[in-house]
Amino acid sequence: AQTVTQSQPEMSVQEAETVTLSCTYDTSESDYYLFWYKQPPSRQMILVIRQEAYKQQNATENRFSVNFQKAAKSFSLKISDSQLGDAAMYFCAYSRPRDDKIIFGKGTRLHILP
Amino acid sequence: DGGITQSPKYLFRKEGQNVTLSCEQNLNHDAMYWYRQDPGQGLRLIYYSQIVNDFQKGDIAEGYSVSREKKESFPLTVTSAQKNPTAFYLCASSIDLRTGAYNEQFFGPGTRLTVL
Repeated sequence: AQTVTQSQPEMSVQEAETVTLSCTYDTSESDYYLFWYKQPPSRQMILVIRQEAYKQQNATENRFSVNFQKAAKSFSLKISDSQLGDAAMYFCAYSRPRDDKIIFGKGTRLHILP
Repeated sequence: DGGITQSPKYLFRKEGQNVTLSCEQNLNHDAMYWYRQDPGQGLRLIYYSQIVNDFQKGDIAEGYSVSREKKESFPLTVTSAQKNPTAFYLCASSIDLRTGAYNEQFFGPGTRLTVL
């Protein structure tokens, strides 16, 4: 069965600095999708970034980028120039094409220090 | 605006009572999901439905029931059989993940259920 592991329950970063959140996953599939979702204090889940496993190029969305290491089954999220609004729970997630579910990790709570 | 609505935002229930959480979407999505969120547990799937009048159990379905009579609506009933129902409940929807190439789930704002 596929699993998603986030080994850092909590992290802190100084405002304007860069932080990296870790995620590893276990799968025997070669084709799949990986996601990072953000859940701010409002608790509204928001998709931050998505990566297709067949793409070698790392996905980027403004200040958010990923480091996708397929062989190592690693999918880390880098947040550059951290802002107070980035404070949230971040969930790593995995799904397969034509599968009917998305599997979520347990989350990493990110604190931004002013 | 298209989106997912959940009501109520906060819900209080006496022990032994059933309670129903509402979830409505106007995104024309086929699939809908219910998750439970507890501190340190992440999101756990309760039930999901890919089509009207059909649904499947997720990882923690015991003590819960659902219906899918309309494409737009997927209410969740927390029954008295659920031993520890106090939690935050999230509803989500997506295109049918089995057919689409883009697997994003869209989430509602959630309902906080507290059993007194």
